[in-house]
Amino acid sequence: NAGVMQNPRHLVRRRGQEARLRCSPMKGHSHVYWYRQLPEEGLKFMVYLQKENIIDESGMPKERFSAEFPKEGPSILRIQQVVRGDSAAYFCASSKSGTGASSNTGELFFGEGSRLTVL
Amino acid sequence: AQTVTQSQPEMSVQEAETVTLSCTYDTSENNYYLFWYKQPPSRQMILVIRQEAYKQQNATENRFSVNFQKAAKSFSLKISDSQLGDTAMYFCAFMKMNRDDKIIFGKGTRLHILP
Repeated sequence: NAGVMQNPRHLVRRRGQEARLRCSPMKGHSHVYWYRQLPEEGLKFMVYLQKENIIDESGMPKERFSAEFPKEGPSILRIQQVVRGDSAAYFCASSKSGTGASSNTGELFFGEGSRLTVL
Repeated sequence: AQTVTQSQPEMSVQEAETVTLSCTYDTSENNYYLFWYKQPPSRQMILVIRQEAYKQQNATENRFSVNFQKAAKSFSLKISDSQLGDTAMYFCAFMKMNRDDKIIFGKGTRLHILP
């Protein structure tokens, strides 16, 4: 029973390039969350998606960042024209039915993260 | 807005000792979840323990237990008989209940278990 799969685990980009991070949720999960972790910091919420819908993007920077979770395939976090400040670990988490009343645990299952380094 | 505060950036204890990690939070919500997540050097986030705010009984999970003080908005984690494998970053986290929402994390406490 595969957990949340993220790839690539490590990604190196030069300033100005694009970074694409992928997340395949656990089987049967239709809710995906992206978090960013800067060195020695906690996880900061970025965006919450359901299939084909963005539910909450209050943590996403206004420019250069976008996320999608298509009907088929993994969720993608896309960072255009990367800058050194984008260097961080990006974590994806999934849940079966969100974290609301339909969920009986409130638990999120996390992937191992994708570490982005911008040179 | 909800906030989670962990006042201990780093702690060290000897193996087999008991250690308590502090966490306070701020919210106007009445129904919510509280969590402790562990992040070992492998970086994978692992759920350690979960508490529903409507439950008065403190959650326990083997060597891990919490002291949940709702009025004081305090949620500390106690690790008994600490083991070398407990060495990790520990994050306290909050989430509203009864509506889809995100988990909000504290900045973490780095725990070192010394042999």
